[in-house]
Amino acid sequence: DTGVSQDPRHKITKRGQNVTFRCDPISEHNRLYWYRQTLGQGPEFLTYFQNEAQLEKSRLLSDRFSAERPKGSFSTLEIQRTEQGDSAMYLCASSREAGLNEKLFFGSGTQLSVL
Amino acid sequence: RKEVEQDPGPFNVPEGATVAFNCTYSNSASQSFFWYRQDCRKEPKLLMSVYSSGNEDGRFTAQLNRASQYISLLIRDSKLSDSATYLCVVNGRNTGNQFYFGTGTSLTVIP
Repeated sequence: DTGVSQDPRHKITKRGQNVTFRCDPISEHNRLYWYRQTLGQGPEFLTYFQNEAQLEKSRLLSDRFSAERPKGSFSTLEIQRTEQGDSAMYLCASSREAGLNEKLFFGSGTQLSVL
Repeated sequence: RKEVEQDPGPFNVPEGATVAFNCTYSNSASQSFFWYRQDCRKEPKLLMSVYSSGNEDGRFTAQLNRASQYISLLIRDSKLSDSATYLCVVNGRNTGNQFYFGTGTSLTVIP
């Protein structure tokens, strides 16, 4: 069990640029979540996949955001035309077991800074 | 109204003290409850699940009061290494599969 892996750890970009983050979940975890966290706040839900199907999206996920999990393994989160308000830590989490016993395991996150 | 509300603190306590954190949630149909720990600039890590009967893991005790929609975490004999932010988490299952996080309570244990 190698844990959830996220890449890159840090990303600095200029406003208006596109960025893409990658998440590799724990092996055999079929659920994958994306969260966003800003300073002093708890993580906010963005979207979640069960295998390759994107089952839920938050209203926080504007049309500039898109997430994919093409083969039910790794996932990517793309932000187009970045804005300064997009600066945050983007956390990926995975889980194996659905139902009451479901628990989230997080990656180290990608810290995005939009200049 | 926020799904999960926590007192952000900060709580500054001496080593060896007992400290308690509280959390309330708004969705009475919520079914799963957790405490996560988050160190500065790190990812949240699961500390413990919270069960209706209450549960204990070493120096940590978690309680759930469904009638009051209230979750607590008690830390006994605080260690310097307990300094972190503690996040209350609720799974609002009937509104989808979202795990709702509180803003976190900051704890600093002082030598």
